[in-house]
Amino acid sequence: EAGVAQSPRYKIIEKRQSVAFWCNPISGHATLYWYQQILGQGPKLLIQFQNNGVVDDSQLPKDRFSAERLKGVDSTLKIQPAKLEDSAVYLCASSLVPGRPAYEQYFGPGTRLTVT
Amino acid sequence: AQTVTQSQPEMSVQEAETVTLSCTYDTSENNYYLFWYKQPPSRQMILVIRQEAYKQQNATENRFSVNFQKAAKSFSLKISDSQLGDTAMYFCAFTTDNYGQNFVFGPGTRLSVLP
Repeated sequence: EAGVAQSPRYKIIEKRQSVAFWCNPISGHATLYWYQQILGQGPKLLIQFQNNGVVDDSQLPKDRFSAERLKGVDSTLKIQPAKLEDSAVYLCASSLVPGRPAYEQYFGPGTRLTVT
Repeated sequence: AQTVTQSQPEMSVQEAETVTLSCTYDTSENNYYLFWYKQPPSRQMILVIRQEAYKQQNATENRFSVNFQKAAKSFSLKISDSQLGDTAMYFCAFTTDNYGQNFVFGPGTRLSVLP
């Protein structure tokens, strides 16, 4: 089965510019996550979708970050305008509708963003 | 707030030997799920092992096993017969929710397996 796809793999932008990342989860996976992983740190959950609805966006900086998951499949994460501190790897993950036993998240390769 | 702590930023082990990675967490919930994820240098994260808090038996997956101490809020990972392919960042992670809300990762331990 195909894994979680993300694009682009690398992106370099100047501060105050805009950028968008795309994620295609594993077919049939209802739950989709976006994480921010700053170098040397663990991933931080930005937003979680269940189908096309938002379940948790408590750590999403909503003044500059936005995300959508149209039709409950693909998702895009946007940053506008970018700041230097947004330099990080942005990871997308998906999982089946969870239930017991505890579910597993499948991660994509990530998009490495550098803001200069 | 729920937190996950990994006190060993870096560790190394000789090939074929055994190594234990530490993880502690803080929660007021009684039921929750704990995970160890591996992130090799290529950066694609994969699940190594998981443990449900309501299960007293420690989880095992081939060469990987955990020591889950609920009272101490400790969840260590033991890797037996270490292989060069085990070289990676290892993240301890935690969620209290069956729907994976409030999913929290620790800062990670960089493990190097030496030939």
